[in-house]
Amino acid sequence: DGGITQSPKYLFRKEGQNVTLSCEQNLNHDAMYWYRQDPGQGLRLIYYSQIVNDFQKGDIAEGYSVSREKKESFPLTVTSAQKNPTAFYLCATSSGRSNTGELFFGEGSRLTVL
Amino acid sequence: QKEVEQNSGPLSVPEGAIASLNCTYSDRGSQSFFWYRQYSGKSPELIMSIYSNGDKEDGRFTAQLNKASQYVSLLIRDSQPSDSATYLCAVDLYNFNKFYFGSGTKLNVKP
Repeated sequence: DGGITQSPKYLFRKEGQNVTLSCEQNLNHDAMYWYRQDPGQGLRLIYYSQIVNDFQKGDIAEGYSVSREKKESFPLTVTSAQKNPTAFYLCATSSGRSNTGELFFGEGSRLTVL
Repeated sequence: QKEVEQNSGPLSVPEGAIASLNCTYSDRGSQSFFWYRQYSGKSPELIMSIYSNGDKEDGRFTAQLNKASQYVSLLIRDSQPSDSATYLCAVDLYNFNKFYFGSGTKLNVKP
């Protein structure tokens, strides 16, 4: 299947634990993104990567970390420093070309802190 | 001013009517604009992209862009109950391939 695969779909975490959300794509897209969505709200950018081995902070990067060692993969770690991590996390990709680069989303990962 | 703004709604329209969704954005130089539909509990799916001033039609959907007014809209003709969802406006602000989203407008289409 072509597309973007996020795992796990549901994740429960105890306070003080780090968790890693996986995002894998086979669209051969250069750019990858992580967004957070809280109930009734829009999407806020956590981190993005335009190319392998490079990434930039978005608007709400505190308490999160990422890596981009392979073009296909962009995992997100939610650290214990993130004070309110319960949210819906969305990974997205784009071809990376201006004026043609639409965002495509995975199915999302729902994280709940117990 | 928020980078991308939408009325949160809900917007209620009867079945068969035209639904009009609006979005404003902060950067006059932005070039790429998108509308996404998101059903409850699901991820957003792309409906339309628009890059030039004017109208772009795709089936029952028409996107309208006015760069001078920093305004983009989505019209849904012959609205169906299955169109009931939250509609998100997204803009590649500053053309950095960095996409900003509005908070979304919830649309209810009543049978």
